[in-house]
Amino acid sequence: LAKTTQPISMDSYEGQEVNITCSHNNIATNDYITWYQQFPSQGPRFIIQGYKTKVTNEVASLFIPADRKSSTLSLPRVSLSDTAVYYCLVGEYNQGGKLIFGQGTELSVKP
Amino acid sequence: DAGVIQSPRHEVTEMGQEVTLRCKPISGHDYLFWYRQTMMRGLELLIYFNNNVPIDDSGMPEDRFSAKMPNASFSTLKIQPSEPRDSAVYFCASRSTGKNTEAFFGQGTRLTVV
Repeated sequence: LAKTTQPISMDSYEGQEVNITCSHNNIATNDYITWYQQFPSQGPRFIIQGYKTKVTNEVASLFIPADRKSSTLSLPRVSLSDTAVYYCLVGEYNQGGKLIFGQGTELSVKP
Repeated sequence: DAGVIQSPRHEVTEMGQEVTLRCKPISGHDYLFWYRQTMMRGLELLIYFNNNVPIDDSGMPEDRFSAKMPNASFSTLKIQPSEPRDSAVYFCASRSTGKNTEAFFGQGTRLTVV
């Protein structure tokens, strides 16, 4: 499983766009990139997944450059309720297998 | 579906006692994971099952921990005897094989061993 590196924490203000970058230099050809969000006192929740280029859903966008050695989770116009820990995971999830969580990025959104 | 259901939500026990945590995965999911979360160590994978069979238990901290999945709709994580350092939030998650790889987590069990 490819090791991931993310910033430990980030601060933002309501209404701003937040970009969280994850490095995964050893990503394998079959690996997908998945992001989870965890609110205090809750289990992690899937946000978005991608393989290459750009993926967008109702919650976030995921940008993956051609070399796939990094990825950026983009949260548009954050609100106080987006305060959470965000985890980047890399692996062959389409084939099943285990999910390994790193330290995550603690995002704090201020008014 | 009600999602992944864990019980109890909170457990306080004395050191040396046996603790059993329970999990009901989402119907139709063939993977089940047990995690432990602490401030110091983050979210650690303890063990996971595929089709009720344990696949990887390398994360189980020691012999005091054991997990079973007697059928597709139920799993237990047992700690015997419990120690204060076992205090943590324990999460169960399930997912299915295939294109939709999203894992669903339960609300967790907050264990306090005094």
